[in-house]
Amino acid sequence: NAGVTQTPKFQVLKTGQSMTLQCAQDMNHNSMYWYRQDPGMGLRLIYYSASEGTTDKGEVPNGYNVSRLNKREFSLRLESAAPSQTSVYFCASSEALRGGNTEAFFGQGTRLTVV
Amino acid sequence: DQQVKQNSPSLSVQEGRISILNCDYTNSMFDYFLWYKKYPAEGPTFLISISSIKDKNEDGRFTVFLNKSAKHLSLHIVPSQPGDSAVYFCAGNSNYQLIWGAGTKLIIKP
Repeated sequence: NAGVTQTPKFQVLKTGQSMTLQCAQDMNHNSMYWYRQDPGMGLRLIYYSASEGTTDKGEVPNGYNVSRLNKREFSLRLESAAPSQTSVYFCASSEALRGGNTEAFFGQGTRLTVV
Repeated sequence: DQQVKQNSPSLSVQEGRISILNCDYTNSMFDYFLWYKKYPAEGPTFLISISSIKDKNEDGRFTVFLNKSAKHLSLHIVPSQPGDSAVYFCAGNSNYQLIWGAGTKLIIKP
């Protein structure tokens, strides 16, 4: 009953280092998302993938890249980490990107600190 | 420009009483509003939603009210239970993207 699994759970990076956050879902969902949450703010969408083979920018895409490797996996890459990317990152999935009340299922989050 | 605002960072309510969490929005194009609940060190989980053409949706102890003219919605939890202590997020859906409020931390006192 895994749902959405993110790795790693915690990470500390030095400025300029790169890393990839991994996300996998086992619910056969078509759509996947990456969000970041900063203190005192709501979640903000970084990138999303409506279906396998497609990706689109969300509200805050700068400094990030994504790959929808297959239907199950959606990774987020930081090519050159900056302190402003210190945040908690959430991956989510939903059955389809068909609109309003589609329930999204979230992973446990990755707490990233860039020093 | 915050399109979704939850002006109360925290709320403390006695167990068994009603909890009312509020949310204001500015974007008239939202077609759905959703409430998510989040425990520490976990991801948010979906709680309840409401279409912009409705004014009320109920699911067990949870009821969401929408006042479109005031651009305001509220989540009522009756009766409040200790397990309801969490952060509650309000989100509006526009063009397949969810715009989230900053959250309200609900504390249920015994």
